[in-house]
Amino acid sequence: EVQLLESGGGLIKTGGSLRLSCAASGFTFSMYALSWVRQAPGKGLEWVSTISGDGITTNHADSVKGRFTISRDNSKNTLYLQMNSLRAEDTAVYYCAKVLKVKQERSGWDSWGQGTLVTVSS
Amino acid sequence: QSALTQPASVSGSPGQSITISCSGSDSDVGSYQFVSWYQQHPGKAPNLVIYEGTKWPSGVSHRFSGSTSGNTASLTISGLQPEDEADYYCCSYAHSSTWVFGGGTKLTVL
Repeated sequence: EVQLLESGGGLIKTGGSLRLSCAASGFTFSMYALSWVRQAPGKGLEWVSTISGDGITTNHADSVKGRFTISRDNSKNTLYLQMNSLRAEDTAVYYCAKVLKVKQERSGWDSWGQGTLVTVSS
Repeated sequence: QSALTQPASVSGSPGQSITISCSGSDSDVGSYQFVSWYQQHPGKAPNLVIYEGTKWPSGVSHRFSGSTSGNTASLTISGLQPEDEADYYCCSYAHSSTWVFGGGTKLTVL
C-alpha cells in the first residue's frame, strides 16, 4: 500500500523559511515523479512543484519560482520542499502526491498524503 | 498559468446524472490529452477519479466518466449516490511542464 506522510508544517513569520518533508513507502520510490500541491483555506487546489524520479528535472509554478525548491533523496525515500521568503498568500495545506505512471508525470496523481498546514503570518 | 474554469456548484438527485465542465485554452486542455479529475471530501485529500481525459484508475467506479472536446473537458457522474457529494477539480498538463487546476465544483446530492 502506497503511503505518503508529510511533515514540517507550522506557523512561520512573513519572510521566513520552512522545509517540508514527505516520507514515502509502498512503491519503488525512484521510478515515480512526485509533486507538491497546495490548498489555501477554503480555496481550490494549486499545483506548486514537480520533480522527476531521478531528481534531475524540476518545475515550479510562477507563484513560487525563485522562492521554493523541490528536491528528493531516493536513498531515504523522501521528498522535500524548501520554502524561502514566505508570504501570507503561501498559507495553505501542502500535499505531496505521487504520479500515476512510471517515468511519465503528465497523467495525474493517484496517491496523496494527508497534507501539512503552513501558516504564514506577520 | 490561468486557472481552468469550472462551475462553482452543481446539484442532482440520487440516481440522476450530472456533468461538470472544465474550460481551458489552447495552452492546456486543447493541446494535451492529460486532463485528470479529482474528488475531494471535506477535510480529506483529493482522490483521482479520471486520468488522461477518459480513463479510470484502478478501483474507481465506472459511474464516473470523462470526455474532452476542443478546449473543454467534462466529468459525468451517473446514478448519483449520496457519497458522491464532494468537491470536484479538473487539472490539465500545460505547456512548459506545468499543471493547472480548475477552481473546483461543489456537488450537492439533493
